[in-house]
Amino acid sequence: NAGVTQTPKFQVLKTGQSMTLQCAQDMNHEYMSWYRQDPGMGLRLIHYSVGAGITDQGEVPNGYNVSRSTTEDFPLRLLSAAPSQTSVYFCASRYWGGNTGELFFGEGSRLTVL
Amino acid sequence: AQSVTQPDIHITVSEGASLELRCNYSYGATPYLFWYVQSPGQGLQLLLKYFSGDTLVQGIKGFEAEFKRSQSSFNLRKPSVHWSDAAEYFCAVGANTGNQFYFGTGTSLTVIP
Repeated sequence: NAGVTQTPKFQVLKTGQSMTLQCAQDMNHEYMSWYRQDPGMGLRLIHYSVGAGITDQGEVPNGYNVSRSTTEDFPLRLLSAAPSQTSVYFCASRYWGGNTGELFFGEGSRLTVL
Repeated sequence: AQSVTQPDIHITVSEGASLELRCNYSYGATPYLFWYVQSPGQGLQLLLKYFSGDTLVQGIKGFEAEFKRSQSSFNLRKPSVHWSDAAEYFCAVGANTGNQFYFGTGTSLTVIP
């Protein structure tokens, strides 16, 4: 089982460049989300979606854009990268409704903005 | 406000010793609680979860956790630590259909041979 797949695993950008982090899941999960992980700050929610065509902001949405055109895919776009966006990004998904609850994580994408 | 506190940033234990990682939460509704483990360069893997019922839950890799509602705690324990347990551990709280999970800042575990 592939689970949650993120690409790329590593990326280096220059300030002002744009890029998209890809996330795909094959578990038919309605809920998908993006987190960033920074030292000493745990995981912070950037954006999430509860189904195709539905997205909403999390705790730290500024500088990021998302869309959800299919159940499987939830890309994260950096429109104009800044050094403050240097981080490790995790995509996570879960069932929406029902008594399961846990998030399933991808392996992460390490982004460096110079 | 919803939050999770992991008071210990870093813990060092000897191999074979017992382990307890602390987690306290603040959550307005009935909490669903989770412990995740992250090995270096990897994603987060679920160790165990508590939804309801028995307050002592068993997880993978020999870990267990106890939910104490009166103390708003969900501490993780292991009777005998192995060198392969060295990793970062995250406690999280959420709801069954809630929009957000709230993660603690993590506890880094070092295991001394």
